[in-house]
Amino acid sequence: ETGVTQTPRHLVMGMTNKKSLKCEQHLGHNAMYWYKQSAKKPLELMFVYNFKEQTENNSVPSRFSPECPNSSHLFLHLHTLQPEDSALYLCATSGRSSGDNEQFFGPGTRLTVL
Amino acid sequence: RKEVEQDPGPFNVPEGATVAFNCTYSNSASQSFFWYRQDCRKEPKLLMSVYSSGNEDGRFTAQLNRASQYISLLIRDSKLSDSATYLCVVNGAGGSYIPTFGRGTSLIVHP
Repeated sequence: ETGVTQTPRHLVMGMTNKKSLKCEQHLGHNAMYWYKQSAKKPLELMFVYNFKEQTENNSVPSRFSPECPNSSHLFLHLHTLQPEDSALYLCATSGRSSGDNEQFFGPGTRLTVL
Repeated sequence: RKEVEQDPGPFNVPEGATVAFNCTYSNSASQSFFWYRQDCRKEPKLLMSVYSSGNEDGRFTAQLNRASQYISLLIRDSKLSDSATYLCVVNGAGGSYIPTFGRGTSLIVHP
């Protein structure tokens, strides 16, 4: 157990649906991240939150909307996604968003957009 | 040039073999370096950090070569359970402290 949980683990949605992914951490970390992992591609950083403040938005389309209500929870709200958005979405945390901190990953949500 | 590059493999080796992976990075100001392991359909997990002086953890040895801008991972006496994808992570590769992942190197250890 890494102390980072994600729900749901699997999600199938249509292009007109609205859904949310949830990440919860029990490690007391200050930085939280959303990554997208598509087949045969490296992990793509989407968003970074540090002390609940968004510090990085890596040119992510607006159909992905993050929310960090507190330091233990991170959400990714999904709206009018495209089939190419189908991927594994990983949440990660670290002690702080500086360079020397290892990251702890949740198990991911495998998303399929029909 | 990509910020972090890895040979995707797969590296196909017999049990007991020694195998080494390299990972090159483009930003000479990069600050810290890690190797993660990712099993099929699972999340990445930290294998080891990479220190300037090199470090060893059991059968695994990681080294950093700042002059040539690469890090390496050496696995001795490969086990079947070592089969996985090994991800190189460089912090500061994009000029910030955001971690940049390589695409990973696939290792298959066969009997």
